Amino acid sequence: QAVVTQEPSLTVSPGGTVTLTCGSSTGAVTSGHYPYWFQQKPGQAPRALIYDTSTKHSWTPARFSGSLLGGKAALTLSGAQPEDEADYYCLLVYGGPRVFGGGTTLTVL
Amino acid sequence: QVQLQQSGPGLVKPSQTLSLTCAISGDSVSSNRAVWNWIRQSPSRGLEWLGRTYYRSKWSNDYAISVKSRITINPDTSKNQFSLHLNSVTPEDTAVYYCATFYFDSWGQGTLVTVSS
Repeated sequence: QAVVTQEPSLTVSPGGTVTLTCGSSTGAVTSGHYPYWFQQKPGQAPRALIYDTSTKHSWTPARFSGSLLGGKAALTLSGAQPEDEADYYCLLVYGGPRVFGGGTTLTVL
Repeated sequence: QVQLQQSGPGLVKPSQTLSLTCAISGDSVSSNRAVWNWIRQSPSRGLEWLGRTYYRSKWSNDYAISVKSRITINPDTSKNQFSLHLNSVTPEDTAVYYCATFYFDSWGQGTLVTVSS
């Protein structure tokens, strides 16, 4: 089974910009992995933010964007807010199976 | 928006089968546009996608390699729901289990399943 890697933790200043990445043990992440991004706050189920690399759900704040960057999937947060402090997970598609990354704890400080 | 309601026991004995059900409202389990997922989360294993079922002229499933030998996901068209069965469980299978839709835009409420004698 492929291993999906994320930064364990990142810190961003309020109003700042941060990019979280999602890599694959099988090689470069492409649009064919249909990258997903999720946000999870304590005690809550994960909430989907992005699918198919860059498509947002209706509830996804505009300050979040998804892309491919340097062989990885990327989630960029521009203009961080205190409420963005959370765990972020990516998910990649490998044909049928899907694999989650280990998650990034984002601190807004 | 689709709503998912999970049901099933919160305690399962080692070596037995874990069974959970996810009832669907706002869509049909047989929709040829839908996919139905099971996911779990534990402190030791993080978020783990377990498998999915979907109908495209016939029923199909995909399963995670880590549980492929032990898992079955079944649709129940008469009740508009789908189920997860994980056999030969060990304490390592203790987790919060979730069902979710195609793009993971709707999730069940989560069920904490503890594997213990």
